[in-house]
Amino acid sequence: EIVLTQSPGTLSLSPGESATLSCRASQSVSSSYLAWYQQKPGQAPRLFIYDASSRATGIPDRFSGSGSGTDFTLTISRLEPEDFAVYYCHQYDTSPRTFGQGTKVEIK
Amino acid sequence: QVQLVQSGPEVKKPGASVKVSCGASGSTFGDYYMHWLRQAPGQGLEWMGWINPNNGDTNSGQKFQGRVTLTRDTSSTTVYVDLSRLRSDDTAVYYCARAGPVDGLPGPFPIWGPGTMVTVSS
Repeated sequence: EIVLTQSPGTLSLSPGESATLSCRASQSVSSSYLAWYQQKPGQAPRLFIYDASSRATGIPDRFSGSGSGTDFTLTISRLEPEDFAVYYCHQYDTSPRTFGQGTKVEIK
Repeated sequence: QVQLVQSGPEVKKPGASVKVSCGASGSTFGDYYMHWLRQAPGQGLEWMGWINPNNGDTNSGQKFQGRVTLTRDTSSTTVYVDLSRLRSDDTAVYYCARAGPVDGLPGPFPIWGPGTMVTVSS
């Protein structure tokens, strides 16, 4: 199975700053079948990025995804108060589908 | 607007079984794979398996094989996950999620149910 390793575990930032989240795969993710989700406490995850770099419906353009192969990045420019949450990467290239362990973006 | 509605919280004893339902409205039921995932308290997301609502084909993660059964009822556009021989580490929120079309490319999970809390405790 493809193991996804996210870093850092926690990112402490202030509103208005930029965030860079990393997701590294144990083997290549074909066709960039890599997604990013945001999850807030008590809520289901919400799809933000799919196919490594495509924004899901309604996601603001301050969120961008990049990468291919084994290295992927989620960048959040100009953090807004509602952006502080946990972010998970997810590969849907091979079975079993797997997730990273999450990166928590917290207010500094 | 597609919505997924899940059944209510469950409390079960170790060794028992639990069946969680997920009803889909606002979409063509058989057109999209439905997946089940879970999240233990304070932990990350774990994929369990999928079902093709069109023909009932299923696939589950090796960790759950022999304990999980995925079914669907086309008349009520509902999918189910049945987990047997419950252990305390099965305590988690169980989510259903709609994925890509059954006749298309693999897809992520754009639509999620609200989750069902299953507690396993003696």
